[in-house]
Amino acid sequence: DAGVTQSPTHLIKTRGQQVTLRCSPKSGHDTVSWYQQALGQGPQFIFQYYEEEERQRGNFPDRFSGHQFPNYSSELNVNALLLGDSALYLCASSYRTGVTDTQYFGPGTRLTVL
Amino acid sequence: AQSVSQHNHHVILSEAASLELGCNYSYGGTVNLFWYVQYPGQHLQLLLKYFSGDPLVKGIKGFEAEFIKSKFSFNLRKPSVQWSDTAEYFCAVNAPSSGGYNKLIFGAGTRLAVHP
Repeated sequence: DAGVTQSPTHLIKTRGQQVTLRCSPKSGHDTVSWYQQALGQGPQFIFQYYEEEERQRGNFPDRFSGHQFPNYSSELNVNALLLGDSALYLCASSYRTGVTDTQYFGPGTRLTVL
Repeated sequence: AQSVSQHNHHVILSEAASLELGCNYSYGGTVNLFWYVQYPGQHLQLLLKYFSGDPLVKGIKGFEAEFIKSKFSFNLRKPSVQWSDTAEYFCAVNAPSSGGYNKLIFGAGTRLAVHP
């Protein structure tokens, strides 16, 4: 049973560019959440997708957008990259119960913005 | 706003020592509580979780945590650590929204180093 997978593993971009990160959830999961983990900090919630719609959003600007596909996989897009966007981007999947959801994390994509 | 505080940023222990990592959260309603661990070079893994019931929960690898509602705390414990427990530990709170959608609020993490 494959866990949460993410691609690519590493990415280097320059300021102003755009990036797309991808995530495949654990088998049987229907909800995908994205987190940003800066160096030395805990993960910070970006947004969550369920039934192909954004259901919750953290305190991130509109430059951060996402999508969920019918097969539950998801993309995170970041436009107009800033140096401060350099971080580990984590995808987590869960099966939505509304009460006892448990999120399982992928290995992350390390984004470096130069 | 919800927040999670982990008091110890770095902990150094010798093998066989006992471990307790502090976690406090700020939220007045019903919460679900989690501890995740990140071993060197690996991804975040779930150690244990609390939803309801017995406030003392047991997780993998001999870890346990106690939920004390009156203190808004969920401290992680292990009676005897091993070198392989060297990792970063994150406490997280999940406060369901009105729509039933959940997001995790993480603490800053505690980096544990266990020396042989």
